[in-house]
Amino acid sequence: GNSVTQMEGPVTLSEEAFLTINCTYTATGYPSLFWYVQYPGEGLQLLLKATKADDKGSNKGFEATYRKETTSFHLEKGSVQVSDSAVYFCALFNNAGNMLTFGGGTRLMVKP
Amino acid sequence: DVKVTQSSRYLVKRTGEKVFLECVQDMDHENMFWYRQDPGLGLRLIYFSYDVKMKEKGDIPEGYSVSREKKERFSLILESASTNQTSMYLCASSSRDRHYNEQFFGPGTRLTVL
Repeated sequence: GNSVTQMEGPVTLSEEAFLTINCTYTATGYPSLFWYVQYPGEGLQLLLKATKADDKGSNKGFEATYRKETTSFHLEKGSVQVSDSAVYFCALFNNAGNMLTFGGGTRLMVKP
Repeated sequence: DVKVTQSSRYLVKRTGEKVFLECVQDMDHENMFWYRQDPGLGLRLIYFSYDVKMKEKGDIPEGYSVSREKKERFSLILESASTNQTSMYLCASSSRDRHYNEQFFGPGTRLTVL
């Protein structure tokens, strides 16, 4: 079946530090991959996505590259801000399964 | 902008009570979903619906039922609430005409069962 594994948090960084949140997946076929973000007290928002191998999704300074050879979709940002503090979820959509599969979420805390 | 609203942000119920969680979307989406969110477990799909009066079980349907009488509204029902149903419940919707897999989420309902 499908599964998504994320690094456990919390991840605590100082402002302007480099961020990496690891995400690996198991799926049959060719899934689409997503990063969602959940700010405190809110629902999930789509941050970025990639639909095929070697695609790079990007938004708000965040990037992730779909690596089929390593079954990974790591989230990166060159310089984090306090406002990036949130929970980040990696997810995959597999047409065969017809639904999203989420990782466990990684809490990011950015200190001034 | 897509808007998905949920009837309550916080809810406290007693064991054995019948609980209704309501979700409404205003973008004419065909697909609607109910998830529960628990620390360390991510989001788990309870039920989803592709159309009015249609429903499909997700990964953890036990103890829940759903109702989709109108396209814009998807209700989650706990027939007899139990303490292990204390959780954050998230509703989502997506369009069949766009990328099916891009889901839009409501703000969530935090349910506590005492």
